[in-house]
Amino acid sequence: AQRVTQPEKLLSVFKGAPVELKCNYSYSGSPELFWYVQYSRQRLQLLLRHISRESIKGFTADLNKGETSFHLKKPFAQEEDSAMYYCALSPNYGQNFVFGPGTRLSVLP
Amino acid sequence: DGGITQSPKYLFRKEGQNVTLSCEQNLNHDAMYWYRQDPGQGLRLIYYSQIVNDFQKGDIAEGYSVSREKKESFPLTVTSAQKNPTAFYLCASSIVRGLSGANVLTFGAGSRLTVL
Repeated sequence: AQRVTQPEKLLSVFKGAPVELKCNYSYSGSPELFWYVQYSRQRLQLLLRHISRESIKGFTADLNKGETSFHLKKPFAQEEDSAMYYCALSPNYGQNFVFGPGTRLSVLP
Repeated sequence: DGGITQSPKYLFRKEGQNVTLSCEQNLNHDAMYWYRQDPGQGLRLIYYSQIVNDFQKGDIAEGYSVSREKKESFPLTVTSAQKNPTAFYLCASSIVRGLSGANVLTFGAGSRLTVL
């Protein structure tokens, strides 16, 4: 079965501090991993996907198949990063997406 | 302005009534999805459709029904059989998986259903 876990419901950091949002998954094949973000009063939107290997808004995420993790990192958090973050998995054979429970990031001034 | 439109934004229903949530997209996407969003549980897949006149159950399809008569439209009916229907419902769409892998979901603004 496919499953995505995000152990932290809420993560609070101060502005300028590093931030890491954890994501672990269980899937026997080679999944594709994504991070989606929902800012206040905005729609859920893609932040980044592992196959793109890009940095978006200073965030990066590396797929670690050995640890089955896809943690989201940013070296210096900004107040505008405060949002709900969801990790998502898409199996390599299907069309569906499985989401984690989400982590609310609060960046304090 | 391309995107996904969900309506209504807020809906109240009495117990025992069926209600239909609308989802329309003008992105020319083949695949459409319905998710339910509950606090602490993230997004759970109700139904998805990859092509007109075909759809598959997700993890929590019981008490829900869908139809896909047109590419642009994927309405969700919350039936009286759904035991806990009060929730936030999100519709999404994407192009189908290609050689480059899974494709990005585009989400609607959501519909909040409250059962009185």
